[in-house]
Amino acid sequence: KQEVTQIPAALSVPEGENLVLNCSFTDSAIYNLQWFRQDPGKGLTSLLLIQSSQREQTSGRLNASLDKSSGRSTLYIAASQPGDSATYLCAVEGAQKLVFGQGTRLTINP
Amino acid sequence: DVKVTQSSRYLVKRTGEKVFLECVQDMDHENMFWYRQDPGLGLRLIYFSYDVKMKEKGDIPEGYSVSREKKERFSLILESASTNQTSMYLCASRLAGEPYEQYFGPGTRLTVT
Repeated sequence: KQEVTQIPAALSVPEGENLVLNCSFTDSAIYNLQWFRQDPGKGLTSLLLIQSSQREQTSGRLNASLDKSSGRSTLYIAASQPGDSATYLCAVEGAQKLVFGQGTRLTINP
Repeated sequence: DVKVTQSSRYLVKRTGEKVFLECVQDMDHENMFWYRQDPGLGLRLIYFSYDVKMKEKGDIPEGYSVSREKKERFSLILESASTNQTSMYLCASRLAGEPYEQYFGPGTRLTVT
């Protein structure tokens, strides 16, 4: 059974710093990996999707990497801003179903 | 932009009531999903639908049923609501096939008293 782990559970950094969020998964037989952002009490916003054949994807200040063989993905956020404060979730897809990690709660301090 | 809407942001129901949660998407997506999100347990898949009138059980289908009579609408039904179904319910949709992103609605916070 696929398990997805995100460490740390919470992270607080000063504005302007570059930071990395981590995601690991136990079964490397995945179709893709997706990173989401969730603001308190709201739904999920898709940030990036990496297909299993890809190594990374970029969108603005965000860069996500995927290493299937080691079961790891990272989300790199450059020049963090207070508006980046949210919970970040990664999810891996296999058999048409997403399995989610518990998320990392990120706080950017002005 | 993909838009997924859910019928209510907040809902309060009594134990034993039949509860309907509605989800509508406007992008002609074949696949639709219902999740619940609970602190410490994360997001868990309840049911999903590949296409109209098709449904598959997710990881926690007990106590729930679904209906998909039209492509754009996917309903989650709590046949007899119980307090342990108090949760945030999230609907998602996407095009068929693995490389496509799932798009989520704003969620319905359901409280069963």
